[in-house]
Amino acid sequence: ETGVTQSPTHLIKTRGQQVTLRCSSQSGHNTVSWYQQALGQGPQFIFQYYREEENGRGNFPPRFSGLQFPNYSSELNVNALELDDSALYLCASSDTRGVGEKLFFGSGTQLSVL
Amino acid sequence: GQQLNQSPQSMFIQEGEDVSMNCTSSSIFNTWLWYKQDPGEGPVLLIALYKAGELTSNGRLTAQFGITRKDSFLNISASIPSDVGIYFCAGTQGGSEKLVFGKGTKLTVNP
Repeated sequence: ETGVTQSPTHLIKTRGQQVTLRCSSQSGHNTVSWYQQALGQGPQFIFQYYREEENGRGNFPPRFSGLQFPNYSSELNVNALELDDSALYLCASSDTRGVGEKLFFGSGTQLSVL
Repeated sequence: GQQLNQSPQSMFIQEGEDVSMNCTSSSIFNTWLWYKQDPGEGPVLLIALYKAGELTSNGRLTAQFGITRKDSFLNISASIPSDVGIYFCAGTQGGSEKLVFGKGTKLTVNP
């Protein structure tokens, strides 16, 4: 158990809708990263937040946005959902900005877009 | 998006056998990591490698950071049923905040 919790665990949406996924980081961690894992693929980096500021972004369109709150929890928002957005969304926290290998992953939110 | 080249894609072995999987890249990575992911869970870090040529063990697992910094391998000795899962290699470049992952190796262990 890593202490990183994500909600909801499963979600079904229809194309064009908007979705918000939530993540509570492990105690003492100030950095949250989000990854998208399509079926049969490895996770792909979406973005990272450090002390409420975006600290790097992967190759995802602007309809993927995020927030980090003063308690270091985070949200991932996706607007205008597309079928290809169906995936497992993983949140990971760390106590170090920028250093990928210090990440602890949550169990993810499985998003299905119909 | 960018992904590492991981092989094999899947493996079916008998309990007690040794396993080897590897990961390659066309570009240099300064950190190599190996993760295991069980169904319904996030990846869990098994081994982290920080220097070219480094050989590191974690119980029955051994991993090496290739001297060219473009590859890594993971060996599992004397496999047991709980080794079943998907193994991912991952790496970081420069001071990057992101992990780049391979597509995974799905391991099945027959008792």
